Amino acid sequence: DAGVIQSPRHEVTEMGQEVTLRCKPISGHNSLFWYRQTMMRGLELLIYFNNNVPIDDSGMPEDRFSAKMPNASFSTLKIQPSEPRDSAVYFCASKTGTSNVETQYFGPGTRLLVL
Amino acid sequence: KQEVTQIPAALSVPEGENLVLNCSFTDSAIYNLQWFRQDPGKGLTSLLLIQSSQREQTSGRLNASLDKSSGRSTLYIAASQPGDSATYLCATRRGGGADGLTFGKGTHLIIQP
Repeated sequence: DAGVIQSPRHEVTEMGQEVTLRCKPISGHNSLFWYRQTMMRGLELLIYFNNNVPIDDSGMPEDRFSAKMPNASFSTLKIQPSEPRDSAVYFCASKTGTSNVETQYFGPGTRLLVL
Repeated sequence: KQEVTQIPAALSVPEGENLVLNCSFTDSAIYNLQWFRQDPGKGLTSLLLIQSSQREQTSGRLNASLDKSSGRSTLYIAASQPGDSATYLCATRRGGGADGLTFGKGTHLIIQP
């Protein structure tokens, strides 16, 4: 299996622009997670989906952030408009099942720089 | 709200030493606790997962312990090697069916050859 796939790997944009990050989970996994990592705050959960349905979006920082999962094999995280403080590494992770023995598998991350 | 703290933030030791990384958490109502490894520019790789009913897990030279009542976990690395150099992250999963992880900020480990 190719693992969790994220694109783009790097994104540089200017403040005010729309940014779309993409994730393809591991085939057969029914849970998908978006995390953000910064030096100051570490890794933080933004939102997660079970069976394509958003379950907990309490970590989404504000209305500028939105996430969708139109099908089991694709998810997007959109920032509109982007701001310099959104600069971070954004990780997508997926897993199967909900028991307490399954681990999450992380993608390589998208490094976002907003100028 | 769960808070996860890792001490030390950075550690540098000579090759061959045994070492212990520490993790503490404020809410003991966890479903499980995991230790991850993160290499520069890469995603996270799960090392060990300890269920809330377990006390420890072992994989090769790694041993992780969990003391829920005191809100502590340790990751023990035996006979450290330069290839162990990475950032090690501790994460808890909340109880009650919630599925997201709460992470510590990690311990940046350097093993000197």
